[in-house]
Amino acid sequence: KAGVTQTPRYLIKTRGQQVTLSCSPISGHRSVSWYQQTPGQGLQFLFEYFSETQRNKGNFPGRFSGRQFSNSRSEMNVSTLELGDSALYLCASSLGGTGSEKLFFGSGTQLSVL
Amino acid sequence: GNSVTQMEGPVTLSEEAFLTINCTYTATGYPSLFWYVQYPGEGLQLLLKATKADDKGSNKGFEATYRKETTSFHLEKGSVQVSDSAVYFCALRNSGGSNYKLTFGKGTLLTVNP
Repeated sequence: KAGVTQTPRYLIKTRGQQVTLSCSPISGHRSVSWYQQTPGQGLQFLFEYFSETQRNKGNFPGRFSGRQFSNSRSEMNVSTLELGDSALYLCASSLGGTGSEKLFFGSGTQLSVL
Repeated sequence: GNSVTQMEGPVTLSEEAFLTINCTYTATGYPSLFWYVQYPGEGLQLLLKATKADDKGSNKGFEATYRKETTSFHLEKGSVQVSDSAVYFCALRNSGGSNYKLTFGKGTLLTVNP
């Protein structure tokens, strides 16, 4: 069974640009969530999608958005990039039924904003 | 809101030494508790979990017991190996309702020397 796939693996952008990251969950998983990892703030929850609907949202500005398609693949978008958006962005998938189930993480997309 | 506090690193041990990484939490209700591990350049992998008080999660020689009275979930291993070198994250997740976001601790870097 293929794992969670995130593309691209690395991205370099400049301030003011926008970026789209992609996540393909494990087959059969309906929940996809996104996390930002930085050395200073650690791992912070961005949002979660379940069956194409945003079910939960973290405390990030509106520049951060996402969506989920009917095949459960998800994308997140960051507009008007700032230097502080440089981070590892991790996607995780799960069946989506309960809070005790296991999350499967991708290897992440390393975003550098110059 | 939910929060997780884990011991600051880095932790450096010799091979076959005993490992303890402390983790305490604050949460409403009865969360599920997790330990995730992150190897260099990779995403997070679930190491073990516990879903109710007094449950013991175990995997690959690691153990942690869900202690509701002390709101703790300390990670232990009796004899560490060089291959255990990684960053370890304690996390919690609500088991009820529909908010299934993971709340993480800051992470503890473990280095095991031969």
